Amino acid sequence: QVQLEESGPGLVKPSQTLSLTCTVSGDSLSSGGYYWSWIRQHPGRGLEWIGYIYYNGITYYSPSLKSRVAISLDTSKNQFSLKLSSMTAADTAMYYCARMASSGDYAGGPFGLDVWGQGTTVTVSS
Amino acid sequence: QSALTQPASVSGSPGQSITISCTGTSSDIGGYNYVSWYQQHPGKAPKLMIYEVTNRPSGVSYRFSASKSGNTASLIISGLQAEDEADYYCSSYTSSSTFYVFGTGTKVTVL
Repeated sequence: QVQLEESGPGLVKPSQTLSLTCTVSGDSLSSGGYYWSWIRQHPGRGLEWIGYIYYNGITYYSPSLKSRVAISLDTSKNQFSLKLSSMTAADTAMYYCARMASSGDYAGGPFGLDVWGQGTTVTVSS
Repeated sequence: QSALTQPASVSGSPGQSITISCTGTSSDIGGYNYVSWYQQHPGKAPKLMIYEVTNRPSGVSYRFSASKSGNTASLIISGLQAEDEADYYCSSYTSSSTFYVFGTGTKVTVL
């Protein structure tokens, strides 16, 4: 059973950089087939796709966040991470990591987010 | 790239069928069969209910079905049950620079 779990600080000061980690169990980040993704949800609002990283390190980011976001991979720990710089109150949200199939050969695919973490709340405040 | 458009709310009585629409453009829903639907209960992570327009993942009830016509996708919930009360989001791959877009979300209320 594949499981994802987000971790990181719940409180970030304005202008600082948010760092979140998603630990994956039951699947290997280095085996390919999935886009390992970050999604966020502002309080009481809808879902916003942030970006993904592929097993080979290729990344793709939402244009609206591209200048501030970086997603990286640590295959030795089976983790992928999100960094979001210059945080403001507008970045206060629930942050989810999730797995997205890259083709029809994989569960939920292509482009279905079939496994999600439970989410972690991030508040931006001084 | 704007979010896909969904009705803010849909309601129905137990046992009834309801339909949630999701309208996009030829760059997303209309151009590709990569529409997904997610169910989200309060305080929980979203759950994949439909992928590739009509496919149900293992474990998802047959009461959930979906379709697409032109730039609009639809999720149909038949035999509505109390446990179906939740928020529902559509999503799609998009050929725009955004890559992936979600719908605005629909709150389903079981009367």
